[in-house]
Amino acid sequence: EAQVTQNPRYLITVTGKKLTVTCSQNMNHEYMSWYRQDPGLGLRQIYYSMNVEVTDKGDVPEGYKVSRKEKRNFPLILESPSPNQTSLYFCASSLKQGANTGELFFGEGSRLTVL
Amino acid sequence: AQSVTQLGSHVSVSEGALVLLRCNYSSSVPPYLFWYVQYPNQGLQLLLKYTTGATLVKGINGFEAEFKKSETSFHLTKPSAHMSDAAEYFCAVSRSGGSYIPTFGRGTSLIVHP
Repeated sequence: EAQVTQNPRYLITVTGKKLTVTCSQNMNHEYMSWYRQDPGLGLRQIYYSMNVEVTDKGDVPEGYKVSRKEKRNFPLILESPSPNQTSLYFCASSLKQGANTGELFFGEGSRLTVL
Repeated sequence: AQSVTQLGSHVSVSEGALVLLRCNYSSSVPPYLFWYVQYPNQGLQLLLKYTTGATLVKGINGFEAEFKKSETSFHLTKPSAHMSDAAEYFCAVSRSGGSYIPTFGRGTSLIVHP
């Protein structure tokens, strides 16, 4: 089954404790991206990757890191989480070219609470 | 640059009534347009999309949207709302400026009353 898998789905942590949210897709997609969803603000892009070893900042990259060492994985790293990073996070992937360009496949989300 | 405006953060309808969710976009090139739906506690899934060709696009669960270039709109409609349609709906545009990275609207929460 084609899917984007995120882990963990739910996490409560404390300020400053490094954490990683993993994302994996099995569709051989070139493009992967991280979003955060906050009430009233919709989806905001954090980072994206056009292919292996190619990453770029989105609209709200501060406080986050990513890496793309393999095509299928795109982890989101919070080196020193703060309460303002409490949010619902989504990973998404897509083919870069073709008629489906721009159509994203989303994971089920990771709800992060930073105390 | 491309952008999306969804009018109304919340839309409330009665079961059986017409659903109309509004989306206006700006794009410097012919856009690709999408509607995504997010059911409670789930990720977003594609409802329908317009890339080229017929401007009236049909999607899943009886939804459809019409691309109107002159109005720069891509409104989502459904003739008769069902309780299961209650969800968050996002409009998105891509393909502007040579980039296929989509830009999302802020979302519209559809509330369906019995």
